[in-house]
Amino acid sequence: SQKIEQNSEALNIQEGKTATLTCNYTNYSPAYLQWYRQDPGRGPVFLLLIRENEKEKRKERLKVTFDTTLKQSLFHITASQPADSATYLCALVKAGNMLTFGGGTRLMVKP
Amino acid sequence: NAGVTQTPKFQVLKTGQSMTLQCAQDMNHEYMSWYRQDPGMGLRLIHYSVGAGITDQGEVPNGYNVSRSTTEDFPLRLLSAAPSQTSVYFCASSTTQFAAGENTGELFFGEGSRLTVL
Repeated sequence: SQKIEQNSEALNIQEGKTATLTCNYTNYSPAYLQWYRQDPGRGPVFLLLIRENEKEKRKERLKVTFDTTLKQSLFHITASQPADSATYLCALVKAGNMLTFGGGTRLMVKP
Repeated sequence: NAGVTQTPKFQVLKTGQSMTLQCAQDMNHEYMSWYRQDPGMGLRLIHYSVGAGITDQGEVPNGYNVSRSTTEDFPLRLLSAAPSQTSVYFCASSTTQFAAGENTGELFFGEGSRLTVL
């Protein structure tokens, strides 16, 4: 069966360090992958899109990689700040199919 | 712009009652969708619409109905509420269903409606 796995345990890091979150998938050949941020009690907010033919995408302090051989996307936040604390969701879509979300990973950045 | 507006924010129902969750967007988006979010399960697609008069089922449609009479509105109806429908419901909209070309397929979400069925 198709699965999208994100680490359900919270990731705790120190301010200023790089946070790395993982999104693994099985039995998918996604056309693209999106990352969203969700704060408690709020709706998710779109951050980045990366397509199957792209290895890396950057936006300010954010970097996303997409390895279709490993079936994995890594989401990096450099120089992390307490304001980056949130839950981060990955979402995949196959061509012509529905967008499917992972369960999310909670990031806690401590000052 | 208000973006995507959901009402109510909180609702408590008894088993068997019916209700409608309202969703409205002011961005002239063709694509609208409803998700439910449960702990450890991620967001799961209930129903979606690619334009006025067009709706289709998502991953978990049973127990829910939708209609799309206008571009702006996409209400979700619970016909006979069950405790298994206790969840947080999100409405989301986008210019298109999928990313293509310069379009990222970005979904704009509402703030959510927390529903408890007793």
